[in-house]
Amino acid sequence: ETGVTQSPTHLIKTRGQQVTLRCSSQSGHNTVSWYQQALGQGPQFIFQYYREEENGRGNFPPRFSGLQFPNYSSELNVNALELDDSALYLCASSLGGLGSPLHFGNGTRLTVT
Amino acid sequence: DQQVKQNSPSLSVQEGRISILNCDYTNSMFDYFLWYKKYPAEGPTFLISISSIKDKNEDGRFTVFLNKSAKHLSLHIVPSQPGDSAVYFCAARRVDSGGGADGLTFGKGTHLIIQP
Repeated sequence: ETGVTQSPTHLIKTRGQQVTLRCSSQSGHNTVSWYQQALGQGPQFIFQYYREEENGRGNFPPRFSGLQFPNYSSELNVNALELDDSALYLCASSLGGLGSPLHFGNGTRLTVT
Repeated sequence: DQQVKQNSPSLSVQEGRISILNCDYTNSMFDYFLWYKKYPAEGPTFLISISSIKDKNEDGRFTVFLNKSAKHLSLHIVPSQPGDSAVYFCAARRVDSGGGADGLTFGKGTHLIIQP
């Protein structure tokens, strides 16, 4: 069973640029969500996708957007990067449903300078 | 406004003893709670969960207790082992009125250190 994989592991971008982070869900999982974890904080929910549609969103501006593909892989896009976007970005997949726990990837460490 | 609070940033426990990690929440709409464990350079790993209709759930050395009236939950690890040294996150979830999902709301984590 393949777990959740994310790429790249580390990334450095300049303020104002755009970035795309990628995620492959665990086999058989149809729901993917993205979280931002700033230093010393817990992960914060960005959004969730189910069957290629966004079905839940946290308190993040529209410059954070995503896609889910038919094979359940996913992308997180962030436009107009700000210094405060520097964080660990975690992708998680699940079978969906309230009782289904999330399985996280190891994250992408984004640094904005 | 932090809806899930873990007030102890760190906790040190001797190997073989019980570790008790605490978590408080403020949102009464939360009805499902989870604990995750995180090692450095890895993503969080699911440990154990509990639905709000229960007050206890056990899985091997891990037990989660939920006190809804106090809006408090705790994770007990017995006996504690060196491999348990990690950051532990408490998380909560509710289903919104539209039938979608809000995602998990996490606390800031507690760094558990197991002393030999």
